[in-house]
Amino acid sequence: EADIYQTPRYLVIGTGKKITLECSQTMGHDKMYWYQQDPGMELHLIHYSYGVNSTEKGDLSSESTVSRIRTEHFPLTLESARPSHTSQYLCASSLAGDWNEQFFGPGTRLTVL
Amino acid sequence: TQLLEQSPQFLSIQEGENLTVYCNSSSVFSSLQWYRQEPGEGPVLLVTVVTGGEVKKLKRLTFQFGDARKDSSLHITAAQPGDTGLYLCAGASGGGADGLTFGKGTHLIIQP
Repeated sequence: EADIYQTPRYLVIGTGKKITLECSQTMGHDKMYWYQQDPGMELHLIHYSYGVNSTEKGDLSSESTVSRIRTEHFPLTLESARPSHTSQYLCASSLAGDWNEQFFGPGTRLTVL
Repeated sequence: TQLLEQSPQFLSIQEGENLTVYCNSSSVFSSLQWYRQEPGEGPVLLVTVVTGGEVKKLKRLTFQFGDARKDSSLHITAAQPGDTGLYLCAGASGGGADGLTFGKGTHLIIQP
């Protein structure tokens, strides 16, 4: 059983609010990822990290930012939420290696009104 | 940009039937993974295939990686209602760098 946690699970907020989606893993994995998933669509990589103090943008452009101050923690922040940010956000982690087998958290369902 | 096409998008069959879902690409992947996702949850890894032509079995599920490492299939024998879910294939480019490239998934419903 993978030990990766996301909070909150569900969030409904108004336009213009600043929000932070939390993601923590207890497996000691160096690599962590944020994906965005809309209904009927594939997961799109928006951010990833190789380790502490490393952050990279993914394939899908996103107005969110991430930080990696501790190995186990990879929060995602939206400075000013908009309705276009409404989506499912999935955090994942993986061991080092070529295969990138990923362990996913349960996701945060974000709705911006 | 690497793309993974999954087919069919939706499949609804009766308990006990067999089925195959496909994952195709024009790109070569160093490995290909299959995940299963249930509503309101994150995907869970089922299997990773890395060698062209490789076949892996997980109980009633059989996974195959194409010889050219561009495609894969998932075959389920005697499907059960517990197999219901969204099946996602995902490819890794190698080098352990970026995240995975995901297909849109196959929504599978097994009716009792």
